[in-house]
Amino acid sequence: GAGVSQSPSNKVTEKGKDVELRCDPISGHTALYWYRQSLGQGLEFLIYFQGNSAPDKSGLPSDRFSAERTGGSVSTLTIQRTQQEDSAVYLCASRSPGTGSSYEQYFGPGTRLTVT
Amino acid sequence: AQSVAQPEDQVNVAEGNPLTVKCTYSVSGNPYLFWYVQYPNRGLQFLLKYITGDNLVKGSYGFEAEFNKSQTSFHLKKPSALVSDSALYFCAVRDNTGGFKTIFGAGTRLFVKA
Repeated sequence: GAGVSQSPSNKVTEKGKDVELRCDPISGHTALYWYRQSLGQGLEFLIYFQGNSAPDKSGLPSDRFSAERTGGSVSTLTIQRTQQEDSAVYLCASRSPGTGSSYEQYFGPGTRLTVT
Repeated sequence: AQSVAQPEDQVNVAEGNPLTVKCTYSVSGNPYLFWYVQYPNRGLQFLLKYITGDNLVKGSYGFEAEFNKSQTSFHLKKPSALVSDSALYFCAVRDNTGGFKTIFGAGTRLFVKA
């Protein structure tokens, strides 16, 4: 079946502009995560959504970052007034509900954001 | 607070030799532990997990990992390395106290030489 998809695959923007990054999770997956991977760095947790529960926003680095998940499916990560330090690969992952095989996350290909 | 440490930035091994990629963790409750792999120009892929049960877990591509509670470690191993195993490996941990937040290590780059 279809995996996690993200768009755009690459985004170049000027400093100060707003950007929106999109994630389409695997159908039926109720949990959705956003991570940031900077060059040479590990994965930095940003935010996660679980069903209709309030999202865990504890990883968002500043109030310029926000995310929504509409209808329990598609998610959008918005970065306002982008800065050069926001340049990174933004990864989305989803996880199925329940137990057993549901613990692991399935990752999308990422969006490479470059702020000039 | 949860944390994961991967003490080696890079591991070099000759093809055919055994490999170990180290990981230690810290969580409040009992851990759920994972290894993921990122091949060049490809997305992150799940390799294996420890949730409960046997301390030695087997995963994809011949990899295995051993959970050691006393040493709070979850080292990734493979008896015989392949050149195609060269990739970036991430250890991750989630505690089982109710939250779903998963913390990833900084990653270890494995280089297998022919």
